[in-house]
Amino acid sequence: NAGVTQTPKFQVLKTGQSMTLQCAQDMNHEYMSWYRQDPGMGLRLIHYSVGAGITDQGEVPNGYNVSRSTTEDFPLRLLSAAPSQTSVYFCASSRLPRLGPSRDTQYFGPGTRLTVL
Amino acid sequence: AQSVTQLGSHVSVSEGALVLLRCNYSSSVPPYLFWYVQYPNQGLQLLLKYTSAATLVKGINGFEAEFKKSETSFHLTKPSAHMSDAAEYFCAVSDRSLRANDMRFGAGTRLTVKP
Repeated sequence: NAGVTQTPKFQVLKTGQSMTLQCAQDMNHEYMSWYRQDPGMGLRLIHYSVGAGITDQGEVPNGYNVSRSTTEDFPLRLLSAAPSQTSVYFCASSRLPRLGPSRDTQYFGPGTRLTVL
Repeated sequence: AQSVTQLGSHVSVSEGALVLLRCNYSSSVPPYLFWYVQYPNQGLQLLLKYTSAATLVKGINGFEAEFKKSETSFHLTKPSAHMSDAAEYFCAVSDRSLRANDMRFGAGTRLTVKP
């Protein structure tokens, strides 16, 4: 299994440009999510999906769109990039929570380092 | 809503010394707790998780953490640091609901290991 893959690894945009960050997983996980990582702030949830055709907002959704047409893919779109969106972006996937004394592991991709000038 | 606080954004230890990374949580219900490690230019990798079985949880690479309800803590320890332990460590918390989006991460602690 490749796990969670993300492309590109690095990207530089100018303010106002748009782009799509790609994320794919081959573990048949229902749950997929996007986080951004900023110094001193840990990871913050942008958007998430509990299955194909179902998406919802996380803590910091403004400026980002997502879609989930297949179980495997969960792209993140920046509609009009702003310098405040300079960050490292991580995609993650897991099985959905189930009843019982456990919680499945989230698997993270290697990240996309985005700079907006 | 649940949250975690990691005490100390940077911790430096000598090789062979004890590693102690602190995490305190806030949750209105019994939580699940996690420690993740991030090596340079990589994604996060699960070290260990507490899900209500034994309060002392053993993870990979010799790390362990103890859930202390009275202190609302879940500190990460390793008896003897190795150079390869240098990384950033994140504590995370989620509640026991069936909502998938409830995990909250701390700000992270960067561990430096000196030779």
